Amino acid sequence: AQSVAQPEDQVNVAEGNPLTVKCTYSVSGNPYLFWYVQYPNRGLQFLLKYITGDNLVKGSYGFEAEFNKSQTSFHLKKPSALVSDSALYFCAVRVRLLSGGYNKLIFGAGTRLAVHP
Amino acid sequence: NAGVTQTPKFQVLKTGQSMTLQCAQDMNHNSMYWYRQDPGMGLRLIYYSASEGTTDKGEVPNGYNVSRLNKREFSLRLESAAPSQTSVYFCASSEGQGPGREQYFGPGTRLTVT
Repeated sequence: AQSVAQPEDQVNVAEGNPLTVKCTYSVSGNPYLFWYVQYPNRGLQFLLKYITGDNLVKGSYGFEAEFNKSQTSFHLKKPSALVSDSALYFCAVRVRLLSGGYNKLIFGAGTRLAVHP
Repeated sequence: NAGVTQTPKFQVLKTGQSMTLQCAQDMNHNSMYWYRQDPGMGLRLIYYSASEGTTDKGEVPNGYNVSRLNKREFSLRLESAAPSQTSVYFCASSEGQGPGREQYFGPGTRLTVT
């Protein structure tokens, strides 16, 4: 079955330290991977995506993610965390339907990032 | 641009009542989606509309119906609400169905069914 896993419910990091939010996936074919962020009482906001090409993709707010095909991972990273980065982060993968379309986006369960001053 | 808007923001229903959640986007996007978000489960797709005039079931369509009223608007209807439908509902849109298209989300509707 095609799936996305975020193994950590919560990640705690001190402000100024690097942060990593983990994501692994299981899909058939080439994955199209996304990271979204959700601030309290808000909808999800797109952060970055991997479609093809360079394994390191850069996105909004200084975030980046590394696609690792051999480990089927797409971990989200930031060199120096801010308190304002505290939010819920979702990894998602676009999967190909049997009909040939790409209508389905599968989300992980989410990881809550808490950045402490 | 308002982006994706949803109404209402909050709603409390009794079991068996019906209601319609409204969604509109002003980005001229072709595709629209309805998701529900439950704790520890991420977002799950209820229905989607690849383009105006088409709708298809997603992962969890039972108990819901949708209408793509025009290119801008995509509504979700609960005909007979059940406590299991207590959730936060998000509408989203994307420019098209290409695999690399990111989706843009509304602020959500928090629904409680008692």
